[in-house]
Amino acid sequence: DTEVTQTPKHLVMGMTNKKSLKCEQHMGHRAMYWYKQKAKKPPELMFVYSYEKLSINESVPSRFSPECPNSSLLNLHLHALQPEDSALYLCASSRGLAGGKHSYEQYFGPGTRLTVT
Amino acid sequence: AQSVAQPEDQVNVAEGNPLTVKCTYSVSGNPYLFWYVQYPNRGLQFLLKYITGDNLVKGSYGFEAEFNKSQTSFHLKKPSALVSDSALYFCAVRDDLPGSGNTGKLIFGQGTTLQVKP
Repeated sequence: DTEVTQTPKHLVMGMTNKKSLKCEQHMGHRAMYWYKQKAKKPPELMFVYSYEKLSINESVPSRFSPECPNSSLLNLHLHALQPEDSALYLCASSRGLAGGKHSYEQYFGPGTRLTVT
Repeated sequence: AQSVAQPEDQVNVAEGNPLTVKCTYSVSGNPYLFWYVQYPNRGLQFLLKYITGDNLVKGSYGFEAEFNKSQTSFHLKKPSALVSDSALYFCAVRDDLPGSGNTGKLIFGQGTTLQVKP
């Protein structure tokens, strides 16, 4: 099973709302990622977790708050977003962060289409 | 700095013809290269990767890619295109700069839209 699931599929929220995106994988992967993707553009990395610890924060505004409750789950908490934050938010996982000859591919979920009004 | 270029925004091919989606890279050290495909309103799907070994890498759905070190290229190919191959294709390289550790980061190209016409 190479499936990463994400909920919800679509989300519309106002600029004062608080919402959360959820991501789940049961492949035993120890690295998980959040990406933001605008239409027809490559994904932009936001956060990387390795063994449930935050490994990379790509200078993401604090209105985005990631959380990794356990090795299978990854959440992204949203608060006071701006209209320019509207995008497809993708979660991905991989066996680990190892590089070189052990570079692992990432498996992506279908994404959450977020609209901020 | 590590970088990837996909020189074509769009590639058009007729169904049944061979297809090539181009990718060139610039890295410090050994390149670790990936191809992903994205269908409309979906996440990215892994197609194949080059880590080491044979220069011709075979992947999912009949795709393959040829690693060429002298031309710093990693072009994606398929002998006979299907209409269902129409999608957005991304080439990516690991962002493993010396001293930065294993970040897991990928540097993506800008993407190439493949249109296969019946």
